[in-house]
Amino acid sequence: KNQVEQSPQSLIILEGKNCTLQCNYTVSPFSNLRWYKQDTGRGPVSLTIMTFSENTKSNGRYTATLDADTKQSSLHITASQLSDSASYICVVNTNAGKSTFGDGTTLTVKP
Amino acid sequence: NAGVTQTPKFQVLKTGQSMTLQCAQDMNHEYMSWYRQDPGMGLRLIHYSVGAGITDQGEVPNGYNVSRSTTEDFPLRLLSAAPSQTSVYFCASSRGTSGGGTGELFFGEGSRLTVL
Repeated sequence: KNQVEQSPQSLIILEGKNCTLQCNYTVSPFSNLRWYKQDTGRGPVSLTIMTFSENTKSNGRYTATLDADTKQSSLHITASQLSDSASYICVVNTNAGKSTFGDGTTLTVKP
Repeated sequence: NAGVTQTPKFQVLKTGQSMTLQCAQDMNHEYMSWYRQDPGMGLRLIHYSVGAGITDQGEVPNGYNVSRSTTEDFPLRLLSAAPSQTSVYFCASSRGTSGGGTGELFFGEGSRLTVL
């Protein structure tokens, strides 16, 4: 069964600190992996996409990594800001067009 | 750009009532889908469509109907509301018929439904 596991479930950090969110998956056949950011009361918005051949990709203060051999991805947030407080959702997609969603990590950035 | 528009944003129903959640997109996307999001459970796919006139069931379709008469619109109907359908509902669209498999999903702002 295709599964996506995210950890931690929730995380609290101080403003200006860095953090790393994890995503482990068993989805096959793998097409790509996307990280979405969901602000409270809003719909998710795509942050980045990782394909099989990509190891690292940055989007401003967000850096995603992918290890296709171990089926793990991470999202690193540098110099966190209050506006980073949100839920971060990992979505893994198959070549057949099927998406498997993780339950998300809720990040709270405190001043 | 409007993107994906959902209405209503909030709705309270009594058990047994029916209603329709509206979803419209102006990006000419072929793929559209409905999800429900419950606390601690993530997004679960209810129904999806890869083009006008084509719909299919997702992970949790029971109690919901959809239709896709145009590329732009994808309404979700609750036939006889139950308290278990209390949730936040999201509509999303994506370019290409493969949908979330390759394309970026564009989500609406959500519709919060409470069934008493």
